[in-house]
Amino acid sequence: NAGVTQTPKFQVLKTGQSMTLQCAQDMNHNSMYWYRQDPGMGLRLIYYSASEGTTDKGEVPNGYNVSRLNKREFSLRLESAAPSQTSVYFCASSAEGRGFSGAGANVLTFGAGSRLTVL
Amino acid sequence: GENVEQHPSTLSVQEGDSAVIKCTYSDSASNYFPWYKQELGKGPQLIIDIRSNVGEKKDQRIAVTLNKTAKHFSLHITETQPEDSAVYFCAARRTGGFKTIFGAGTRLFVKA
Repeated sequence: NAGVTQTPKFQVLKTGQSMTLQCAQDMNHNSMYWYRQDPGMGLRLIYYSASEGTTDKGEVPNGYNVSRLNKREFSLRLESAAPSQTSVYFCASSAEGRGFSGAGANVLTFGAGSRLTVL
Repeated sequence: GENVEQHPSTLSVQEGDSAVIKCTYSDSASNYFPWYKQELGKGPQLIIDIRSNVGEKKDQRIAVTLNKTAKHFSLHITETQPEDSAVYFCAARRTGGFKTIFGAGTRLFVKA
C-alpha cells in the first residue's frame, strides 16, 4: 500500500505565484489534513476535512485554500505565495469520521512531505 | 487557544541510557495523547499513544505516562539505540475534535 502520497516533493516559487499541492490516500480514510512544519514550531494544522465534501480551518489557515475532491484526494492551494509560506507541508489522513470512532481512529498517517520555498 | 509545550528541544544521550521527553497541554478537554517519531526526510509516524483513562502505557522499550491533574505527559525510552535518533513530537486532542495539536518537537541524538 502506498498510504499517503504527496506531490510535488520540492517546489520553488516566486512571491505572488500560485500553486497547488496534491495529496491522495489509499486507506479509505474519512478525514484528511494539511500541516506545515517550521523549525522550532512543530506541526501546525492549516486545514482539515472530516469527511468528503466538508473542510474546516485549522490553526493557521490564512493564505491557503483547500479542496476535498473526493474521499481519496485533498489539495492545498496557495493563491499568491509569500516568503512566510516557505515551509515543509505534510498531508495526513485518519480513519475517524462518519461511522468510525473506534481504537486507532485518531491515528494520523502522514505523507513524506513537500518542501516549498518562496523567494 | 490550545497549546502543547514540549521539553527539551534537543536531547543527547549515550547508547544504552534512558531518554525522557516531557509535555504539558492547556486544553483540559484533551483526552488523547499520541507520540510521533520523525526520521530524516520522512513524515511523522505514530510510536505510542495514551488515552485519558489510563495513567501509563508500555510497549517494549517505550513508555508514556499521563498526569491529567497536572496536564503533563511524558515519553520514556529505555536502553536507547542509534536508530532511536530522530525528532519526537508529542500531541494532544479531544475525541471528535479532529484537531491534533503538536508540541514543537525534541531532536534526540543517541551516541554510539
